[in-house]
Amino acid sequence: NAGVTQTPKFQVLKTGQSMTLQCAQDMNHNSMYWYRQDPGMGLRLIYYSASEGTTDKGEVPNGYNVSRLNKREFSLRLESAAPSQTSVYFCASTRRGRTEAFFGQGTRLTVV
Amino acid sequence: RKEVEQDPGPFNVPEGATVAFNCTYSNSASQSFFWYRQDCRKEPKLLMSVYSSGNEDGRFTAQLNRASQYISLLIRDSKLSDSATYLCVVKPHQGAQKLVFGQGTRLTINP
Repeated sequence: NAGVTQTPKFQVLKTGQSMTLQCAQDMNHNSMYWYRQDPGMGLRLIYYSASEGTTDKGEVPNGYNVSRLNKREFSLRLESAAPSQTSVYFCASTRRGRTEAFFGQGTRLTVV
Repeated sequence: RKEVEQDPGPFNVPEGATVAFNCTYSNSASQSFFWYRQDCRKEPKLLMSVYSSGNEDGRFTAQLNRASQYISLLIRDSKLSDSATYLCVVKPHQGAQKLVFGQGTRLTINP
């Protein structure tokens, strides 16, 4: 099984550009998450989706939108990228009733 | 105050040594606790859950102190392959959908 797959792995954007980070899991998990990781800040939750059809804001949602396309896929969109959004983005999923989170390999995003 | 706090380190210890680090959490209602491991430029992966009575997995021992609101991780007979960042993770309350991560403690085992 592939687990959690994120694309792209690397991206450089200019300020003001938009892009969508894709995430898919093949473990039939109900809940999916988007985190960003910055030096000294740890992992911070951007948005999450407890189940198909629902999304909720996390700790740092400003500047982002999400779509839970179906049970497998959860995308993160930056409408107008800013240098403050330079970070490593991780998608994760958990099974209903379980707390172990499985992570994708991350997307390293640089906004110049 | 951060919800989960860790000493970022770095901790540099010789191979074979015993090393321990703590993590404190602010929400007394927190229900579940975990240690994740993250290798350089990789994704976090679950190392072990932390149970109220303490638990051991090989060379790793995790303990929870609810009264003082901290959890600890002890690594005995450390190996070079133990070099990584260790993330303290807390589930804030029963039914919470999200996990809260500490910033991580960086550990380097030296030959």
